[in-house]
Amino acid sequence: DSGVTQTPKHLITATGQRVTLRCSPRSGDLSVYWYQQSLDQGLQFLIQYYNGEERAKGNILERFSAQQFPDLHSELNLSSLELGDSALYFCASSVTGTPYNEQFFGPGTRLTVL
Amino acid sequence: AQTVTQSQPEMSVQEAETVTLSCTYDTSESDYYLFWYKQPPSRQMILVIRQEAYKQQNATENRFSVNFQKAAKSFSLKISDSQLGDAAMYFCAYRSARNYGGSQGNLIFGKGTKLSVKP
Repeated sequence: DSGVTQTPKHLITATGQRVTLRCSPRSGDLSVYWYQQSLDQGLQFLIQYYNGEERAKGNILERFSAQQFPDLHSELNLSSLELGDSALYFCASSVTGTPYNEQFFGPGTRLTVL
Repeated sequence: AQTVTQSQPEMSVQEAETVTLSCTYDTSESDYYLFWYKQPPSRQMILVIRQEAYKQQNATENRFSVNFQKAAKSFSLKISDSQLGDAAMYFCAYRSARNYGGSQGNLIFGKGTKLSVKP
């Protein structure tokens, strides 16, 4: 158990819908990363937050957005869902978000878009 | 942009034997970190081993060791005395050591190598 929690574990929805994935970082970690793992694209970095502020952006679609709240939990919002958005979405956390700090991964949320 | 390549989609090893997984990467940076992650069927991402580019000595963690060749941009993982529990997807990953700009420590992954362990 990494100490990072993600909810829900599984999510099944239809095309065009909107979903929210939630992540709680390890106690004391200030930085949260979101990654997408799909069959087509492999594991890709989406976005990073540090202490409530966006720190870095990767291959995140405009239909996707994220935020980190004052209690440090983070949410990834996916809208206008398409079949290709079906993937495993990981959240990872680290102490400060600098490259030196290890990232601890949550168990992931499996999203299925029908 | 940095890239990570794992040329072996699948590998197989006999229990108790040794196997080496290959990884190459491309970067113009001189300071970075390299990682091997294990993803068992549970899908949990588990850090296996980490190498700092400025260190010449190869990292080791129990039965896991790496062969880091900085000039060749190669970073292979050796698993000794393979066990059934080693069966998993293994991902090689790169992280820039820059702490500014758009890169703040995110990981760049290869496509993975699926390792099977035969009893």
